[in-house]
Amino acid sequence: ETGVTQTPRHLVMGMTNKKSLKCEQHLGHNAMYWYKQSAKKPLELMFVYSLEERVENNSVPSRFSPECPNSSHLFLHLHTLQPEDSALYLCASSQDKGGIDTGELFFGEGSRLTVL
Amino acid sequence: AQSVTQLGSHVSVSEGALVLLRCNYSSSVPPYLFWYVQYPNQGLQLLLKYTSAATLVKGINGFEAEFKKSETSFHLTKPSAHMSDAAEYFCAVSDPYNNNDMRFGAGTRLTVKP
Repeated sequence: ETGVTQTPRHLVMGMTNKKSLKCEQHLGHNAMYWYKQSAKKPLELMFVYSLEERVENNSVPSRFSPECPNSSHLFLHLHTLQPEDSALYLCASSQDKGGIDTGELFFGEGSRLTVL
Repeated sequence: AQSVTQLGSHVSVSEGALVLLRCNYSSSVPPYLFWYVQYPNQGLQLLLKYTSAATLVKGINGFEAEFKKSETSFHLTKPSAHMSDAAEYFCAVSDPYNNNDMRFGAGTRLTVKP
């Protein structure tokens, strides 16, 4: 399998549920990202991991909890979400965070989350 | 910090017509610039990128973009639109001196009429 894979592709959950989104990259990259894409809003960067360490957290509510156990896997743990959290969550990876790389991002197909 | 402005949230063209999607950037240093395309229910896919080499960049699916420093622009063009080009297009800028932080524009939805 190649590229960036996200599971599940679709998720419906209640506000009291706990669920997780999974992302796996097969590109040998060492940086991974979570983006939120809501209707009629620009892409919002949520979290960045470089070499498995979190390097950026853009003031995301604590009901979103990321986990990066190794450079190939990234999770987004969800609990007590709100209806306004319904969105497409995109995972991306890049070769490096900084250095000589251009910063090109490789995206997964996204996980469509609906919070009831 | 760098930023990107995409002029026009919606663009509609007829099949076979010229496609022009506008992007202006703001950056205090020579940036890297990207165009991504997103088809319905899919992630973003790289169309092309500018990384300080040739100012006219050719990408996939017949798209190209020209970096114009004097105009701080990186507009995306395609001579002849195809129905399959209907999608959302995102311009992005990356700052090579700031950990390559990437900033996206709000996107332009391209509709192609038969």
